[in-house]
Amino acid sequence: DIVMTQSPDSLAVSLGERATINCKSSRSVLSPSTNKNYFAWYQQKPGQPPKLLIYGASTRDSGVPDRFSGSGSETDFTLVISSLQADDVALYFCQQYYSTPTFGQGTKVEI
Amino acid sequence: QVQLVQSGAEVKKPGASVKISCKTSGYTFTSYITQWARQAPGQRLEWMGLIDPGSGVTRSSPMFQDRLIFASDSSAGTDSMELSGLKSEDTAIYYCTKGPLGGWFHYWGQGTLVTVSS
Repeated sequence: DIVMTQSPDSLAVSLGERATINCKSSRSVLSPSTNKNYFAWYQQKPGQPPKLLIYGASTRDSGVPDRFSGSGSETDFTLVISSLQADDVALYFCQQYYSTPTFGQGTKVEI
Repeated sequence: QVQLVQSGAEVKKPGASVKISCKTSGYTFTSYITQWARQAPGQRLEWMGLIDPGSGVTRSSPMFQDRLIFASDSSAGTDSMELSGLKSEDTAIYYCTKGPLGGWFHYWGQGTLVTVSS
């Protein structure tokens, strides 16, 4: 299985400041046939199910604020929250769906 | 608006089975595949398997060694997952999800807590 490793495990950011989360996969998740990265980011608040933020490494799901952006390719990916809001306090985790889906361990974002 | 509503929490003894249902609405039932995942305390999410409601094709993670059964009832708009031979390490929140074949998990149920304890 492809192993997904996130960094850091947690970070504290001031309101209005930038938060950056990284995710590294043990193998490339870029499909040579479609030229798409099979990679997603999710947000999970306490007591709630995960919510899709980004798929295809950089496509925001409908309704996701544009302060969330995803980038990267092959094995290295980044989620940026450009201006942290109180509502963004949550656990964020990455996922690859290039092969049997696997998830990162999560990054806890706090104020 | 796509909604997935799962059945309620369960408490089971080791060796028993549990069946979780996932009622979906707000879209054409066969448009998405159903994938199941679980989140054990302090652990990362773990993929369990999938069913394509349109074809009935299923795939399970080898981690579950034939303990899993997936079903899909298009007429009722409901998917189900049955896990047998429960062990204490199966204690987790179980999620049904909907999304494109071979893709991301677009929509999630609210989760079902399964506790396995003697």
